[in-house]
Amino acid sequence: DAKTTQPNSMESNEEEPVHLPCNHSTISGTDYIHWYRQLPSQGPEYVIHGLTSNVNNRMASLAIAEDRKSSTLILHRATLRDAAVYYCILRATSSNFNKFYFGSGTKLNVKP
Amino acid sequence: DAGVIQSPRHEVTEMGQEVTLRCKPISGHDYLFWYRQTMMRGLELLIYFNNNVPIDDSGMPEDRFSAKMPNASFSTLKIQPSEPRDSAVYFCASRPAGTASGEQFFGPGTRLTVL
Repeated sequence: DAKTTQPNSMESNEEEPVHLPCNHSTISGTDYIHWYRQLPSQGPEYVIHGLTSNVNNRMASLAIAEDRKSSTLILHRATLRDAAVYYCILRATSSNFNKFYFGSGTKLNVKP
Repeated sequence: DAGVIQSPRHEVTEMGQEVTLRCKPISGHDYLFWYRQTMMRGLELLIYFNNNVPIDDSGMPEDRFSAKMPNASFSTLKIQPSEPRDSAVYFCASRPAGTASGEQFFGPGTRLTVL
């Protein structure tokens, strides 16, 4: 199973951008990169996903390195509500495409 | 839409007792997943169903754990007999077929404490 590496924790100031890095050097050519986050005492929720090109949605942006060995989740203006654990996940397109391996994630603390 | 519904939200039981966790997926979703989250092991996939049929149960820790999905709107995860090391938060998730993102929608979880 392809693994991801994320910093254990990061800190940000409210209303400033946040760049959450993820290394996935063993990614295969068909693995999608997914990000989920887990707010305190809640289940994980989907944030964004991508394959090769950078992606934007209402929640965040995903920047994918050209060699796909790393990616960065960008929160453009962090709010207190964005304090959560952020998981970077590789999703296979083979028979394991339903199996998400969440890892330990990055705990984001947002300071007012 | 009410989202994925799990019950109970909290369960405290004694070692050796049977525990049943319940999940109602989002209507129309074809896939249902059971996860377990602990501090030591993080979030682990236990089993998932497609159209009520178990597809992959390789994450089920041992024979004390069993899961069923008798119909499209209900699933159970049973632990018998329960042990203290089963204490964890158990999440149910569901997703529809045919979505490009494969986004899974998680319930609020059941916090299980086995004394």
